[in-house]
Amino acid sequence: QQQVKQSPQSLIVQKGGISIINCAYENTAFDYFPWYQQFPGKGPALLIAIRPDVSEKKEGRFTISFNKSAKQFSLHIMDSQPGDSATYFCAAGAGNKLTFGGGTRVLVKP
Amino acid sequence: DSGVTQTPKHLITATGQRVTLRCSPRSGDLSVYWYQQSLDQGLQFLIQYYNGEERAKGNILERFSAQQFPDLHSELNLSSLELGDSALYFCASSVRPSGRYEQFFGPGTRLTVL
Repeated sequence: QQQVKQSPQSLIVQKGGISIINCAYENTAFDYFPWYQQFPGKGPALLIAIRPDVSEKKEGRFTISFNKSAKQFSLHIMDSQPGDSATYFCAAGAGNKLTFGGGTRVLVKP
Repeated sequence: DSGVTQTPKHLITATGQRVTLRCSPRSGDLSVYWYQQSLDQGLQFLIQYYNGEERAKGNILERFSAQQFPDLHSELNLSSLELGDSALYFCASSVRPSGRYEQFFGPGTRLTVL
């Protein structure tokens, strides 16, 4: 049972463009929503995270938008750069663990 | 560098065999998580330990087991290996045993079962 659904599975964007990745969840007990970035051959690393009392959080070129009523959250990568090419995972936390989405492979073309 | 170490980096073995993957958490982190990442799949949570005690179980097969030792390092034991067990296995650590804190991931162990 996939509790966190992530889309799209892959994304190609031109340098300077905007990458948008969406996630939806069902469990209303989730109260921590991080995004992880994973480069080939490496472990995932925390990129940015949000808690449900905030609707938006921005860190540099990365923004999380959170819609509690719709149980959805998204990652926006502004001014995408070739160095942003990676796999991005959304996750939702509650209790003892994080539940990860299926991942989105982002390719930024120069 | 996350501060989490995993050994070995690569492991190639045959079906039916048993292997042990090792993880050392970041200094000061008491909680260790194990994940499996298969091709075209996301991160599947396997099991979590906190200060030596099992705290949460995910989709871990009965053929798999884990433990956390007094020095806080953890081992994941995989037995009666099948072709489908080929995957990347990640260990992560965090300060507290909660899904509400950042988890720091190791570089992973790539297991290939032939």
